[in-house]
Amino acid sequence: GENVEQHPSTLSVQEGDSAVIKCTYSDSASNYFPWYKQELGKRPQLIIDIRSNVGEKKDQRIAVTLNKTAKHFSLHITETQPEDSAVYFCAAIAGGATNKLIFGTGTLLAVQP
Amino acid sequence: NAGVTQTPKFRILKIGQSMTLQCTQDMNHNYMYWYRQDPGMGLKLIYYSVGAGITDKGEVPNGYNVSRSTTEDFPLRLELAAPSQTSVYFCASRKSGDSYNEQFFGPGTRLTVL
Repeated sequence: GENVEQHPSTLSVQEGDSAVIKCTYSDSASNYFPWYKQELGKRPQLIIDIRSNVGEKKDQRIAVTLNKTAKHFSLHITETQPEDSAVYFCAAIAGGATNKLIFGTGTLLAVQP
Repeated sequence: NAGVTQTPKFRILKIGQSMTLQCTQDMNHNYMYWYRQDPGMGLKLIYYSVGAGITDKGEVPNGYNVSRSTTEDFPLRLELAAPSQTSVYFCASRKSGDSYNEQFFGPGTRLTVL
């Protein structure tokens, strides 16, 4: 089955700097890679996703890149702000009837003012 | 739409007690999921359902049961609660069809077993 590894587990940056979180996956059939943000005590919420037929996707200060050959994908946050502080989860899904998301273990991002 | 709702928000159980965590969605989603999130950890899939009357085990099903009698509801049953089941439980749902459909989460239920 699918296995998703995420690094680093914690990341501290200064406000205005960039942050990068990396994930690797094991199932070459995976075709969809969402990223979720979870603020303290809240539910996970989708912030950006990428499909396997695309190498990069941007949404304002957030971008995701995908390298299918190496089976890894990354989240890039530019010009970080204190409100970006949260836990970020990557996930991968293989197509098929179940559409199960397998999550990484999360990255706690702290943006220091 | 209310989206995905869960009750209760918090619960304390004694070892050996049982309870049902409720989950309802009003988006007419066929796929529903239960996850647990231990402190500082990621989300582990407990059970999932691809439609009314159909359920299957996820990564960590032991100690839990589910049922799916309607499209809207997907309750999670804990029998003989154990301290290892102390966790935050999230229910989620998504449309059927292709795998690109967004998965929406409920607000969670924080369960403590003492």
